[in-house]
Amino acid sequence: GENVEQHPSTLSVQEGDSAVIKCTYSDSASNYFPWYKQELGKRPQLIIDIRSNVGEKKDQRIAVTLNKTAKHFSLHITETQPEDSAVYFCAALLGNQFYFGTGTSLTVIP
Amino acid sequence: EPEVTQTPSHQVTQMGQEVILRCVPISNHLYFYWYRQILGQKVEFLVSFYNNEISEKSEIFDDQFSVERPDGSNFTLKIRSTKLEDSAMYFCASSEQQDAQHFGDGTRLSIL
Repeated sequence: GENVEQHPSTLSVQEGDSAVIKCTYSDSASNYFPWYKQELGKRPQLIIDIRSNVGEKKDQRIAVTLNKTAKHFSLHITETQPEDSAVYFCAALLGNQFYFGTGTSLTVIP
Repeated sequence: EPEVTQTPSHQVTQMGQEVILRCVPISNHLYFYWYRQILGQKVEFLVSFYNNEISEKSEIFDDQFSVERPDGSNFTLKIRSTKLEDSAMYFCASSEQQDAQHFGDGTRLSIL
């Protein structure tokens, strides 16, 4: 199966600064990589995703980069705001199964 | 915006009893999933379902678990003979293709 590792487990940044969360995966056959934001007690919400045939994707303050050779992908949040505070999960799709990272608890300090 | 709906929001059950968790996926979606999230831990894949059959299941999804799509709208997860360690949040998700999943609000299952 696939093994997805996510770092860091916790991240604190000042409001307005950037935040970067990194994930690595083990199986080069994985071909789709979503990122989810989960606020306390709520459902995971898809915030951005990337397919293996693309190196970078951006949506306003959020971007994802993928390095297929190194088998890692990263979430970048710029100009962070307090409402960005949440747990962020990466995932990788291998076959018909999604493998999730262990999550990063992001705190944006006003 | 259409949503995945799950019922009940909270289920309390005695150990050894059977539970059925219900989900109504988004109507035009074709892929359905169940996940488990133990408090404070990561989301764990249980099973994916497509074309009226299981397409993949994880090691967690043993004989204690089953899924069903009894009609055109519902997607259920049955847990037989529940154990204390089955206590978790269970999320249903659906997607139109095998990509962007929409999650429901989850069912918090508490086994006593």
